[in-house]
Amino acid sequence: AQSVTQPDARVTVSEGASLQLRCKYSYSGTPYLFWYVQYPRQGLQLLLKYYSGDPVVQGVNGFEAEFIKSNSSFHLRKASVHWSDSAVYFCAVLITGNTGKLIFGLGTTLQVQP
Amino acid sequence: GGIITQTPKFLIGQEGQKLTLKCQQNFNHDTMYWYRQDSGKGLRLIYYSITENDLQKGDLSEGYDASREKKSSFSLTVTSAQKNEMAVFLCASSPGTGDTGQLYFGEGSKLTVL
Repeated sequence: AQSVTQPDARVTVSEGASLQLRCKYSYSGTPYLFWYVQYPRQGLQLLLKYYSGDPVVQGVNGFEAEFIKSNSSFHLRKASVHWSDSAVYFCAVLITGNTGKLIFGLGTTLQVQP
Repeated sequence: GGIITQTPKFLIGQEGQKLTLKCQQNFNHDTMYWYRQDSGKGLRLIYYSITENDLQKGDLSEGYDASREKKSSFSLTVTSAQKNEMAVFLCASSPGTGDTGQLYFGEGSKLTVL
């Protein structure tokens, strides 16, 4: 079955600390992976994507993610978080050959404390 | 750049009522989507459309109708609202057939059923 698991519903970190949000996927085909972010009272925005090639991909605002095929993981990282990073983060996998159907995880709420 | 406009932002209805949400995009994208976002359940695809007058069912289409009469607009109808239902409905669009996984989201329409 196709699925995306984000094991942490909520993560709290202090401003300036490093961050890792975990994501594991289950998909039998070639995984195209995404991280989306949802700021309060807004829609989702694409943070970064992985199609192929270098397993470490860079996104906006200093975020990066690493695709580890052996672990079926696509964790999101940031070296130093800012209070404005507080948001809900969604990991997703694209079901190819199905006109862009994305399977989303349940999301991780990030709270950055000053 | 473009924008996705969802109307209304807030919708309050009565049990059994038929309710319609509208979505407009000026990206000139071919593919449009309706997702439902529930607390603790992530995003679930209701309907999508890859071109004008096309409709494809998602995982959660029962209880909903959709309409894509123009390339720029995609509407969703809750055919019979359920009491105590509360959710946010997100409209999105994507270029081409949507197989890049890059979606552009609106800010959402929040539904409350009394």
